[in-house]
Amino acid sequence: GAVVSQHPSWVICKSGTSVKIECRSLDFQATTMFWYRQFPKQSLMLMATSNEGSKATYEQGVEKDKFLINHASLTLSTLTVTSAHPEDSSFYICSADRRIGSYNEQFFGPGTRLTVL
Amino acid sequence: DQQVKQNSPSLSVQEGRISILNCDYTNSMFDYFLWYKKYPAEGPTFLISISSIKDKNEDGRFTVFLNKSAKHLSLHIVPSQPGDSAVYFCAASVRRNQGGKLIFGQGTELSVKP
Repeated sequence: GAVVSQHPSWVICKSGTSVKIECRSLDFQATTMFWYRQFPKQSLMLMATSNEGSKATYEQGVEKDKFLINHASLTLSTLTVTSAHPEDSSFYICSADRRIGSYNEQFFGPGTRLTVL
Repeated sequence: DQQVKQNSPSLSVQEGRISILNCDYTNSMFDYFLWYKKYPAEGPTFLISISSIKDKNEDGRFTVFLNKSAKHLSLHIVPSQPGDSAVYFCAASVRRNQGGKLIFGQGTELSVKP
């Protein structure tokens, strides 16, 4: 199968600090990874597309200076929430693109619960 | 602008009966549709998908129907089991863009009662 891991699975931090979340594709290489955010009882909202070796592409309304994305290798993308505030508390989920036949499929990580106090 | 909509936030079904989850979309460029199952505090897991060139895809107890003219798709689960209780998300993409991003609906929470 295609396994995607995230670390940490949950984190609690103080307001104003920065938090780094890792997304790894364990058994395949992913040139593209995606970062989503989900608020309670709401949909998964795409934040940005992470491209290995190049800058991430952010969705409209997502602050690139606040949510720093680094895709340094074909198996690792990191999302850093800088100067976190309570409104950044959410469930962050990554996915990794894998070639299946003629198309790419997304495989999701287990998510990271961020709570900012 | 919600391009993918799931208008029923919740659905309750008796074990053994059919569960029907609905999804509507507005973007006629979407050519690939997926259903995901999600438990709280976990990532979504893929269930079943359908290409826009088909109107039905079946995998065991799960069947997805696509009505392009109505821009509507549905997921049928039969027979429903208590273990099916979860939140179900439909998603759509423009797949011919080779890995186009997924747009998710709001989700429907399915509860299957014994």
